[in-house]
Amino acid sequence: EVQLVESGGGLVQRGGSLRLSCAASGFTFSSYWMSWVRQAPGKGLEWVANIKEDGSERYYVDAVKGRFTISRDNAKNSLYLQMNSLRAEDTAVYYCARNIEVVVVATTTHSFDVWGQGTMVTVSS
Amino acid sequence: QSVLTQPPSVSGAPGQRVTISCTGTSSNIGTGYAVHWYQHLPGTAPKLLIYANINRPSGVPDRFSGSKSGTSASLAITGLQAEDEADYYCQSYDSSLSAWVFGGGTKLTVL
Repeated sequence: EVQLVESGGGLVQRGGSLRLSCAASGFTFSSYWMSWVRQAPGKGLEWVANIKEDGSERYYVDAVKGRFTISRDNAKNSLYLQMNSLRAEDTAVYYCARNIEVVVVATTTHSFDVWGQGTMVTVSS
Repeated sequence: QSVLTQPPSVSGAPGQRVTISCTGTSSNIGTGYAVHWYQHLPGTAPKLLIYANINRPSGVPDRFSGSKSGTSASLAITGLQAEDEADYYCQSYDSSLSAWVFGGGTKLTVL
């Protein structure tokens, strides 16, 4: 069974740090781009970051650039999100998601075809 | 304010057809980037419903269909069922932001 399981969420003070993990199973982890997507309380989904299969490319939403770092360990089938200088607005459920590259009329984009159950991060002020 | 605009809510009676719109701009949907749709029930993992504008992953009922035209896309649900009550999100890529973007979400209520 294809599965993603997040861990590492919790309560942290403003300015603090937290490291999220995502354990993948049931598929060849090293063959896929991976992403983190979050949902703040009462808000919609927001893409946070993604990383290429071999870790050579990483992209971030502007709101977390310079504070968050996405990484992966293909030998351990694991994805990580190191979150530093946390702010109240980072409070959210964080989902790990598998990317699928889609090419339509020579234009490439990604959809997210497998998701974890999410881990809650609460930043107290 | 989301880059992709969706109506906050839609509703329909069981058996009816509803559509959810997703309006973008020339830097995302209008450029040709594909649109994908997700169903999200609170407390659960989001589920991919439609990818690349019109395609359904295996296991998704054919009651769900997608379309795209110009700078907009739509999700249609026919034969509405109580279990379809959920939040629905469109998603694409924005070249101006260099970011993957979601719509603000639409809450579907089955009356």
